[in-house]
Amino acid sequence: NAGVTQTPKFQVLKTGQSMTLQCAQDMNHEYMSWYRQDPGMGLRLIHYSVGAGITDQGEVPNGYNVSRSTTEDFPLRLLSAAPSQTSVYFCASSYSAASAVYEQYFGPGTRLTVT
Amino acid sequence: GQQLNQSPQSMFIQEGEDVSMNCTSSSIFNTWLWYKQDPGEGPVLLIALYKAGELTSNGRLTAQFGITRKDSFLNISASIPSDVGIYFCAGLIEGAQKLVFGQGTRLTINP
Repeated sequence: NAGVTQTPKFQVLKTGQSMTLQCAQDMNHEYMSWYRQDPGMGLRLIHYSVGAGITDQGEVPNGYNVSRSTTEDFPLRLLSAAPSQTSVYFCASSYSAASAVYEQYFGPGTRLTVT
Repeated sequence: GQQLNQSPQSMFIQEGEDVSMNCTSSSIFNTWLWYKQDPGEGPVLLIALYKAGELTSNGRLTAQFGITRKDSFLNISASIPSDVGIYFCAGLIEGAQKLVFGQGTRLTINP
């Protein structure tokens, strides 16, 4: 198994541009989530999904959209990039919503810079 | 939203020393987790705690779920160079489907 994969690993955007961060897992996990990591802030939840077709907002959802059309994929879309979205983004997955919080596997991260 | 206060924010120790760090909250949690993050990598789960008072070990790591359910502690004994990294606590409030993370403790070890 590849586990949780994220692409791209690095990205530079100009303010106002849009893009999609890709996340995929091959472990048949029901629960998937997106976090952003900023210095001194820990990991903050952006959006999460408890299964295909179901998504919900986390702590910092503004400026981001998600969809979950398949079990495997959970892309994160930046609608109009802003410098405040400069961060490292992590995708994570888990077997089911009930076990989401203690068996979360994290991807390697995407480092995004918005100029 | 819920807040987890993790301390210390950073630690500079000598190889072989023991390490202690903790997380506290004003909210009650029914699960506590400890993760480690190496540079350029995603967090990796170290220890999971599910009951108040629970004490769990993973090699040289020991973590405890506080009796009040508002705090947790992680201890590392006889530190070695590969222990360097950022350690995060995370908690789950009963009925929630979202983890709340602490700000992290950055551990640096002098050989």
